[in-house]
Amino acid sequence: ETGVTQTPRHLVMGMTNKKSLKCEQHLGHNAMYWYKQSAKKPLELMFVYNFKEQTENNSVPSRFSPECPNSSHLFLHLHTLQPEDSALYLCASSRTGAEDEQYFGPGTRLTVT
Amino acid sequence: AQSVTQPDIHITVSEGASLELRCNYSYGATPYLFWYVQSPGQGLQLLLKYFSGDTLVQGIKGFEAEFKRSQSSFNLRKPSVHWSDAAEYFCAVGAGGYQKVTFGTGTKLQVIP
Repeated sequence: ETGVTQTPRHLVMGMTNKKSLKCEQHLGHNAMYWYKQSAKKPLELMFVYNFKEQTENNSVPSRFSPECPNSSHLFLHLHTLQPEDSALYLCASSRTGAEDEQYFGPGTRLTVT
Repeated sequence: AQSVTQPDIHITVSEGASLELRCNYSYGATPYLFWYVQSPGQGLQLLLKYFSGDTLVQGIKGFEAEFKRSQSSFNLRKPSVHWSDAAEYFCAVGAGGYQKVTFGTGTKLQVIP
């Protein structure tokens, strides 16, 4: 499999649940990103990892917890979410930093009930 | 910090007509500039990027963009639009290195027969 994959594609969870989103890239990239895309809002950068180290946390609430065990995998752990957290969560990767184009996964459509 | 503005939220064009999507950026030095396209239910796909060299950049799917430093613009063009071009288009600006890329709010393109 090539490119950037995300699982699950759809997720419905209650506010008290704990779930995780998974992202995997098969491109040999060293940077990985989580974005939140809500209707009628700009794409929001949440976290950036470079060489497995977190280099950006864009004031994201602690109910979102990222994990990057290696350069190919990125997780987003979710707990006690709010309905306003319902959105499309996109993962992306790039070769290195901001000068390189990002390759996006198809996203996970999250609904918090 | 850099910023990017896409003044048109929604544009409708007839199939076969020409297209221009506007993008204005703010950054003190020469930025990295990108155009991405997002089809419904999908992640973003890179159309083209610019950093230096020829100010007219060719991309995939017959798109091109022109960097105009004096106008701080990076408008996307296509001479003849196809129905399959209906999607949302995002302009993005980056400063290079490990600094984040900033995305515009997107322009949704509708193509009518």
